[in-house]
Formats: sequence, structure tokens, C-alpha cells
Amino acid sequence: GNSVTQMEGPVTLSEEAFLTINCTYTATGYPSLFWYVQYPGEGLQLLLKATKADDKGSNKGFEATYRKETTSFHLEKGSVQVSDSAVYFCALSVGGSARQLTFGSGTQLTVLP
Amino acid sequence: GAGVSQSPRYKVAKRGQDVALRCDPISGHVSLFWYQQALGQGPEFLTYFQNEAQLDKSGLPSDRFFAERPEGSVSTLKIQRTQQEDSAVYLCASSDSSYNSPLHFGNGTRLTVT
Repeated sequence: GNSVTQMEGPVTLSEEAFLTINCTYTATGYPSLFWYVQYPGEGLQLLLKATKADDKGSNKGFEATYRKETTSFHLEKGSVQVSDSAVYFCALSVGGSARQLTFGSGTQLTVLP
Repeated sequence: GAGVSQSPRYKVAKRGQDVALRCDPISGHVSLFWYQQALGQGPEFLTYFQNEAQLDKSGLPSDRFFAERPEGSVSTLKIQRTQQEDSAVYLCASSDSSYNSPLHFGNGTRLTVT
């Protein structure tokens, strides 16, 4: 079956620190990979995605590279801000459709000023 | 523009009661999904509609769960004879028909069964 394992939180960083949130996956078939973010009191929002090996998704200073050889899709940001405090979810879908997203358990990030 | 709207935002039900959760997708979105998110976990897929057709209900945990989308727009997730293990946030998401289009999630309904 499909599964996503992501780094357990919570993660607490100071402003301008470097962020890495690890995500690895197993999938039957060739998955598309996603990072979603959930800000306090808001719904899940797509942060970035990659649909094939070696693709790099990027948005708002966040990046993640689809690594097929290590089945990973780690999220990185060079300099975090207080406004990045949120829960981050790694997810995958198989078959060219987003309908059956399989999510990781989420990583709570808190950035302190 | 308007996003996905879910109501109620919070629902408390006594064990054994029936509940109905509503989702208003983004106008024109043909695809609609329901997910269940337990505390501290990621969302888990429940069911999927394309227009009014329920194409996949493999994630519904029991026959107490029922979803409908009769006119291909608003959807209702109904849970009969609620149990404590049904306590979770129920998320609705919609997307348009283009290939690999992203899901737009609502804020969810937090159901607490006492």
C-alpha cells in the first residue's frame, strides 16, 4: 500500500534558522508528492508539489526535491519567519489524480522571534 | 473568491445520535472529497465524488457513514449512531477537472462525541 512517514514534531526554531522536515514514502506505482500547510485556524493549503523524479517544487521560499532513489521529499527553507509557524503535512497520490491523497501525520513548526 | 465552506464548524453529539455535516465546494469544482483527521494525525481519505456520482467510498470506516451530493454541488456527510471513535475533524476538499489539479480544503468540522 501507500504510506508517508514524516519527521515527528514539534519543531521549534528561532527566526532566520534553517528548516528541514524529513519525509519518506512508499507507494505502489509512480506517485506525485506534495507538501500541505495548515496555519492556525485555517484549512489545509497546498504549499508545493512535484510530479516526477528530480523535480523540485518551490513556493514562499520553501523547496522540496523528489528523490526517487531514496524515496524522499524533504522540505527545506533557508531562513524561517515567525509567520511560518504552522503544521506541515507531506502527502502523495498515485495514478495522476489527487483524489486519494495519503498524508503523513504532520509536523508542528513553531518559529520564535 | 469564496473557498470551500463547511458547516457547522463544531458539533457535539451524544453517543448514538445522528449527525449531518455540510460542505459547499468552490463553484464549478466537479470533484469533491471527504477526509477524516483524528487528533495529531494526518487526514485520511473517506470518499470521492465526481459531480453527483460517488466514485470511491472505500475509505468510509463503517456502514454508519454515508455521503451524498445529489445535485453535484453541495455534499453532506452523515454519520448514524455516532460512537466515540468518530470524534475527529472532518475535512471537505474540492478540485476542478484539470489533470493533477490541487485540492482546496475547507476549515473542517470538529465532531466531538460524548
